[in-house]
Amino acid sequence: KNEVEQSPQNLTAQEGEFITINCSYSVGISALHWLQQHPGGGIVSLFMLSSGKKKHGRLIATINIQEKHSSLHITASHPRDSAVYICAVGVGQFYFGTGTSLTVIP
Amino acid sequence: GAGVSQSPSNKVTEKGKDVELRCDPISGHTALYWYRQRLGQGLEFLIYFQGNSAPDKSGLPSDRFSAERTGESVSTLTIQRTQQEDSAVYLCASSLGNSNQPQHFGDGTRLSIL
Repeated sequence: KNEVEQSPQNLTAQEGEFITINCSYSVGISALHWLQQHPGGGIVSLFMLSSGKKKHGRLIATINIQEKHSSLHITASHPRDSAVYICAVGVGQFYFGTGTSLTVIP
Repeated sequence: GAGVSQSPSNKVTEKGKDVELRCDPISGHTALYWYRQRLGQGLEFLIYFQGNSAPDKSGLPSDRFSAERTGESVSTLTIQRTQQEDSAVYLCASSLGNSNQPQHFGDGTRLSIL
């Protein structure tokens, strides 16, 4: 049983499309994180959420604590957004989703 | 400022040897995490240090794995009697506090067991 489920596993989009990646979790958490891992392997923290919504540039993250669900949205997607997006939840240790591999085609 | 630094960046060793991986967290970060990522797979939690508290070792896969941290600075992850299934990228991350703080990741150590 996975504590964190992400969907879709793979996603291909045309440049400019609006993209949504979903994350559901089953454990109690103090915060949910969205991470981005580029093909070279480096991992960057995009958002940390404990409630509501956050926006950074073209990226928007929302969380519904009652439903144990979060979404990551990318507006006006660009080929440089191609990466694996990982949802992680934690209280102390972290549980990770398996990631969503996004490819944005020019 | 300096980010999380890991060394070595690559390590190739023979099955059965012991290896030691090092992580230098960002100065002032009290929390330090070790993760493993096997080829084509997701991140696996290994161990978590928070300040002077006892570490959360619940993710360590076997007693061949151990980790230490000196105060709130350097951490080493040791794998004894390495096996081929230990081949993976080992990632370290640090944060200012607990899971309510963003994590900053190192570039990882790519470990290959021959």
